Amino acid sequence: GENVEQHPSTLSVQEGDSAVIKCTYSDSASNYFPWYKQELGKGPQLIIDIRSNVGEKKDQRIAVTLNKTAKHFSLHITETQPEDSAVYFCAASFGNEKLTFGTGTRLTIIP
Amino acid sequence: GAVVSQHPSRVICKSGTSVKIECRSLDFQATTMFWYRQFPKQSLMLMATSNEGSKATYEQGVEKDKFLINHASLTLSTLTVTSAHPEDSSFYICSAQTEFYGYTFGSGTRLTVV
Repeated sequence: GENVEQHPSTLSVQEGDSAVIKCTYSDSASNYFPWYKQELGKGPQLIIDIRSNVGEKKDQRIAVTLNKTAKHFSLHITETQPEDSAVYFCAASFGNEKLTFGTGTRLTIIP
Repeated sequence: GAVVSQHPSRVICKSGTSVKIECRSLDFQATTMFWYRQFPKQSLMLMATSNEGSKATYEQGVEKDKFLINHASLTLSTLTVTSAHPEDSSFYICSAQTEFYGYTFGSGTRLTVV
């Protein structure tokens, strides 16, 4: 089955700087790669996603890049703000099948 | 956008009793519902996948007789934790999957068994 690794597990960034979180996946058949933000005591919220036919996608301060050959995908947050502090999860799936989640990254934005 | 309403948000039950968690898809029909469990500071682990009108498919190591899943309609799926024990204390999250909306997560249920 699919295995998703995520790094780093914790990340502290000065407000205004950029944050990058990286994930690798094992199943080359996976074609959908979402990123979720989870705040304490809440369910995950989709912040951006990418499909395997696209190499990069951007939404304001958030971008995701995908390298299918290397089976890597990364989340980039620019101009970080205190409200970006949360736990971020990457995930991978094939079609509409189950999502496999990474281990999570606790992002702390230092004011 | 799509919303999945999950209730209750928090529940405390006595050891040996059962508790039911409900997830309702609002304004859309969810043919597939995923149920996850999340322990503190850990990732989401898939427990089971349910399709409306069919028996749920459980992941390896998940006791199907302990975690009963019912997906009797396209807008309602329930997870019942039977004979709960303290080790079942966790954060349970549902996720509805549709072609149009993709994966939509509920807000989670914090279960504490005392």
